[in-house]
Amino acid sequence: DAGITQSPRHKVTETGTPVTLRCHQTENHRYMYWYRQDPGHGLRLIHYSYGVKDTDKGEVSDGYSVSRSKTEDFLLTLESATSSQTSVYFCAISEEGLAGAFQETQYFGPGTRLLVL
Amino acid sequence: LAKTTQPISMDSYEGQEVNITCSHNNIATNDYITWYQQFPSQGPRFIIQGYKTKVTNEVASLFIPADRKSSTLSLPRVSLSDTAVYYCLVGPGESNYQLIWGAGTKLIIKP
Repeated sequence: DAGITQSPRHKVTETGTPVTLRCHQTENHRYMYWYRQDPGHGLRLIHYSYGVKDTDKGEVSDGYSVSRSKTEDFLLTLESATSSQTSVYFCAISEEGLAGAFQETQYFGPGTRLLVL
Repeated sequence: LAKTTQPISMDSYEGQEVNITCSHNNIATNDYITWYQQFPSQGPRFIIQGYKTKVTNEVASLFIPADRKSSTLSLPRVSLSDTAVYYCLVGPGESNYQLIWGAGTKLIIKP
């Protein structure tokens, strides 16, 4: 399995508080991704990074920000958590970008379960 | 962006072949079709990927017709450990973020 860890694995917080989730990889992959997973929606891309300090928005980026100061770490921040952000958050990595890269696949972390009360 | 549609759930029995179909009518020229498997409390895991025709690896086959508007994941001789949720993913299109995941098919294998 790819060396991807997420922390914390579980978190309960209150509406309006800031929350930061961390993804750490030991594979030295260039691309990192944050997804959320909700029942009936599959996975939806929040943000992704294509290098240190290089990030871009995904399908559901509103209310989230990201930072990547080192190759191995990708942080997801909820500036002011809302109940609609209760979800399971997955980090993923890929060696290169997926566009036009047949056989390039994503490897996923174990997930963080976030409950916003 | 291509939208994908999969059956919500399927049942089968050990030793049978299971076929899960994903519909993606608006697939773009640059899109690939990828299937992932997910067990409870784990992240998705890559199974197979294809662009057209048939692809086979050690765990599954992927059939894609010429019009590419659907794809079928085939799992030969399933076992109880194949009970999982299977996701169809179409993308990435012109850029990395045009990744459209299906809602997943919950496959239950019975003894």
